[in-house]
Amino acid sequence: KAGVTQTPRYLIKTRGQQVTLSCSPISGHRSVSWYQQTPGQGLQFLFEYFSETQRNKGNFPGRFSGRQFSNSRSEMNVSTLELGDSALYLCASSLAPTSTDTQYFGPGTRLTVL
Amino acid sequence: AQSVTQLDSQVPVFEEAPVELRCNYSSSVSVYLFWYVQYPNQGLQLLLKYLSGSTLVKGINGFEAEFNKSQTSFHLRKPSVHISDTAEYFCAVRLHMNYGGSQGNLIFGKGTKLSVKP
Repeated sequence: KAGVTQTPRYLIKTRGQQVTLSCSPISGHRSVSWYQQTPGQGLQFLFEYFSETQRNKGNFPGRFSGRQFSNSRSEMNVSTLELGDSALYLCASSLAPTSTDTQYFGPGTRLTVL
Repeated sequence: AQSVTQLDSQVPVFEEAPVELRCNYSSSVSVYLFWYVQYPNQGLQLLLKYLSGSTLVKGINGFEAEFNKSQTSFHLRKPSVHISDTAEYFCAVRLHMNYGGSQGNLIFGKGTKLSVKP
């Protein structure tokens, strides 16, 4: 079974631009979560989707948004990019949004903001 | 609020030596506990998890961890490390879902970089 895939793997943008990242979960998984990883802040939760509904959101500004499609694929969007948005963005999928379900992570998208 | 503290940011060790990576957590409610590993330029891979039952949990690649509720710790151990274990290791917690709504996000520690030297 294929793992979680994220596209693109690398992205370079300039301040003020917007960006969209994509995540395809493992087949059959309906829950998708997004995390931001930076050297300073570590791994921080962005949001979680299940059945096309955002069920949980981390402490990030409104510039960060996401959505989930009927096939469980998810996208996240960051508008008006800032230098501090440079990070590795990780997507994780699980069968359902329960605490006991294992979250399987993709390889991430490395975003660099210049 | 919940938090996870990984006491060592870097742990150098020689090949075939034992290793312990320390993790302490703080939470006013019950949590589940996880250890993930991240190899360079890759995502996170689950090593093991504690949900309930025996406090000694065995995971992949020869790793094990012991849940100690009184000390709120979940230290990761391996009796003999290999060069291939060089990676960053993350301890994480998730709330028990005893109430409505999704509380399923992982709360991570800052990570411990394990460096195995020949």
